[in-house]
Amino acid sequence: AQSVTQLDSQVPVFEEAPVELRCNYSSSVSVYLFWYVQYPNQGLQLLLKYLSGSTLVESINGFEAEFNKSQTSFHLRKPSVHISDTAEYFCAVSGTDSWGKLQFGAGTQVVVTP
Amino acid sequence: KAGVTQTPRYLIKTRGQQVTLSCSPISGHRSVSWYQQTPGQGLQFLFEYFSETQRNKGNFPGRFSGRQFSNSRSEMNVSTLELGDSALYLCASSLAVEGWGNEQFFGPGTRLTVL
Repeated sequence: AQSVTQLDSQVPVFEEAPVELRCNYSSSVSVYLFWYVQYPNQGLQLLLKYLSGSTLVESINGFEAEFNKSQTSFHLRKPSVHISDTAEYFCAVSGTDSWGKLQFGAGTQVVVTP
Repeated sequence: KAGVTQTPRYLIKTRGQQVTLSCSPISGHRSVSWYQQTPGQGLQFLFEYFSETQRNKGNFPGRFSGRQFSNSRSEMNVSTLELGDSALYLCASSLAVEGWGNEQFFGPGTRLTVL
């Protein structure tokens, strides 16, 4: 079984400032890791994923996350946020033994203000 | 390529009724997973279907059921609705190819309100 902990329920940040969203996981088997974003009244959109290989993964809109196996973490970062980044962000883990199931964290609400 | 579609988008039911939600996956995707999202419990996995077979199931009562058709479209059914079933129900599809790590693409969800 897997579990995910997102350490911050809400993160206020000023526009153009950096942001880091923390995610820790636990699992008895190898995992795949994901970050999803959810805008109000919408479904989840995949932001980035770690399947294997390089521990640093990047998205097309400036986010990056680093897989740290020893610390069992997959923190999400962006060096400079925009107002449009205001949304809820979910970290998710999938065990290599678990078909079709993503285990989600509780989510982090990011509020970007001018 | 069209994304995951869910119908209806909004639904209002009363306690005791039953409801059926529909999900059409991305073309070529054979796996469909369902999730319930509520403010209190967050995102919880309901079940996953692949080639018309349920491969995985979450910890929900038997009132929650699903099925998948030969064209990969999926439905979920909730019988004897309770107030606590009010939630956003999300469907996600995946290629389910070895090594793709359950990368899932989500639909917009069905917002169910039980009165």
